[in-house]
Amino acid sequence: NAGVTQTPKFQVLKTGQSMTLQCAQDMNHNSMYWYRQDPGMGLRLIYYSASEGTTDKGEVPNGYNVSRLNKREFSLRLESAAPSQTSVYFCATGQGLGTNEKLFFGSGTQLSVL
Amino acid sequence: GENVEQHPSTLSVQEGDSAVIKCTYSDSASNYFPWYKQELGKGPQLIIDIRSNVGEKKDQRIAVTLNKTAKHFSLHITETQPEDSAVYFCAASIPGYSTLTFGKGTMLLVSP
Repeated sequence: NAGVTQTPKFQVLKTGQSMTLQCAQDMNHNSMYWYRQDPGMGLRLIYYSASEGTTDKGEVPNGYNVSRLNKREFSLRLESAAPSQTSVYFCATGQGLGTNEKLFFGSGTQLSVL
Repeated sequence: GENVEQHPSTLSVQEGDSAVIKCTYSDSASNYFPWYKQELGKGPQLIIDIRSNVGEKKDQRIAVTLNKTAKHFSLHITETQPEDSAVYFCAASIPGYSTLTFGKGTMLLVSP
């Protein structure tokens, strides 16, 4: 039982390159989230998906796009990476928004943009 | 929207001492307050949570207290151990279809 799986674990990009961060869950949860973690800034929400077929912007969505491919998978795409997007990215899942839900986090993707 | 302030940003204690981390929130409608622990190289993990109809909750060596009037809540860890060393995040959420707002985190270091 893997829980929340993120790939890749590490990535180095050059400015302007694109990439997609993958997240898959086997917990049968409805909601999925993408956060970024920066020193001194805590966890900031980029995008979330309350259920399959829906996505919404979070606190810091600029420069990112997301796709809720199916109930299990939620991907985050950087179309043209910038140094300001150097961060650790976490995917999380929950049973459903509005339920004061417990979140389950993946182990993160460390991204460096040069 | 909701704003969560967390203090201190770093906390060093000796093994066996108690540790207290404090958070304040801005929206009086918030009704759910979880605490997450993040160990080095891992994602955050829920350790305890409290809802607004409860003033205090305890689970072994950890406890959380909530003061709705003052809009603050605190995490208390007693008899700290080296394995308690981690980053701790508080969070708050408003009822309905709303996401969690996290504090900026507290790095706790427990020295043997």
